[in-house]
Amino acid sequence: KAGVTQTPRYLIKTRGQQVTLSCSPISGHRSVSWYQQTPGQGLQFLFEYFSETQRNKGNFPGRFSGRQFSNSRSEMNVSTLELGDSALYLCASSFSGVWNEQFFGPGTRLTVL
Amino acid sequence: GIQVEQSPPDLILQEGANSTLRCNFSDSVNNLQWFHQNPWGQLINLFYIPSGTKQNGRLSATTVATERYSLLYISSSQTTDSGVYFCAVIRNNNDMRFGAGTRLTVKP
Repeated sequence: KAGVTQTPRYLIKTRGQQVTLSCSPISGHRSVSWYQQTPGQGLQFLFEYFSETQRNKGNFPGRFSGRQFSNSRSEMNVSTLELGDSALYLCASSFSGVWNEQFFGPGTRLTVL
Repeated sequence: GIQVEQSPPDLILQEGANSTLRCNFSDSVNNLQWFHQNPWGQLINLFYIPSGTKQNGRLSATTVATERYSLLYISSSQTTDSGVYFCAVIRNNNDMRFGAGTRLTVKP
């Protein structure tokens, strides 16, 4: 069974631009969650999607948004990038929700210059 | 929100030694997982253990939910065990909260 995949793996953007990251969950998993990891703040929850609906949201500004498609693939968008958005963005999939065992993808490393 | 504390923050071992990593959490939880983050950043599942004890090779974990802590045991450590170990908890089906991690270095 294929694992969670994320694209792209690395990304360099400049301040003010926007970026879209993609996550494909494990087949059969309907829940996709997104996390941001930085040296200063550690791992923080962004949001969770289940059946194309955002079910949970962490404490991040509205510049961070996401969506989920009918095949459970999810995208995360960050608009008006700031230097502080430089981070490793991880997505995780689980069968029915964050309370189930979660499986993480390899991450997308975003650098904002 | 729920607080998650891991100890020790850093641990240096000689190859072959045993170690215990601890995760304390401030409230009851529905889910607890242990992960190993590899040098490339990927979180590798170690255990899904909201309560009880599990073993997988040289690794084992115990969660005492009533006392709000979990322990990860690594026996006969190898250099490949180096990396950062995270515990993460969920309460009431909300977001997953991570501890700050324990950075383990195993020297040959």
